[in-house]
Amino acid sequence: DTAVSQTPKYLVTQMGNDKSIKCEQNLGHDTMYWYKQDSKKFLKIMFSYNNKELIINETVPNRFSPKSPDKAHLNLHINSLELGDSAVYFCASSAGTNQKQYFGPGTRLTVT
Amino acid sequence: SQELEQSPQSLIVQEGKNLTINCTSSKTLYGLYWYKQKYGEGLIFLMMLQKGGEEKSHEKITAKLDEKKQQSSLHITASQPSHAGIYLCGARPTQGGSEKLVFGKGTKLTVNP
Repeated sequence: DTAVSQTPKYLVTQMGNDKSIKCEQNLGHDTMYWYKQDSKKFLKIMFSYNNKELIINETVPNRFSPKSPDKAHLNLHINSLELGDSAVYFCASSAGTNQKQYFGPGTRLTVT
Repeated sequence: SQELEQSPQSLIVQEGKNLTINCTSSKTLYGLYWYKQKYGEGLIFLMMLQKGGEEKSHEKITAKLDEKKQQSSLHITASQPSHAGIYLCGARPTQGGSEKLVFGKGTKLTVNP
């Protein structure tokens, strides 16, 4: 009965590969997010979707492409992975604006 | 852009001691959220503060929002090893419900038994 789930939890891959991280929420929320937490634990917003539409796209390389097939899912696809992409990626969801965000357990991506 | 500065960056206390973590914003605060992150895990929501002067408590954790000072504090009374983790404050950078949260860099709390 996990509220926000992410798969995989760990992802180790080589530079240049393409990988995807999946996120699902069963809370019935309209808004979903992707955050990146770097090695210094700094958490920063990447994207936000509301009702399957992109509403926030921070300064993120074009190699990152979010996709929301439905309100309950927001996947993150990364092309041509680079060493600097190594981080923990968190998915979150909320019922709307001014509402608290529920975070998934994170996906630790390591690019070698 | 809004920045949140947390202090201290890390804190080591003896079990049973009280402690305070501060979060100061470079701009007006429109909602302040406190989260806790256990090492290697996701973020757990603690409290949300929206009005100046607001104060909320949950078990031994109390959070206050001083809107005029653009600051929030998180106070833990009689700390326990279970309180250990990274505490993050997050804020909405604009009024009217920005969908994103801007986070501080976190305060790492260690509680020694």
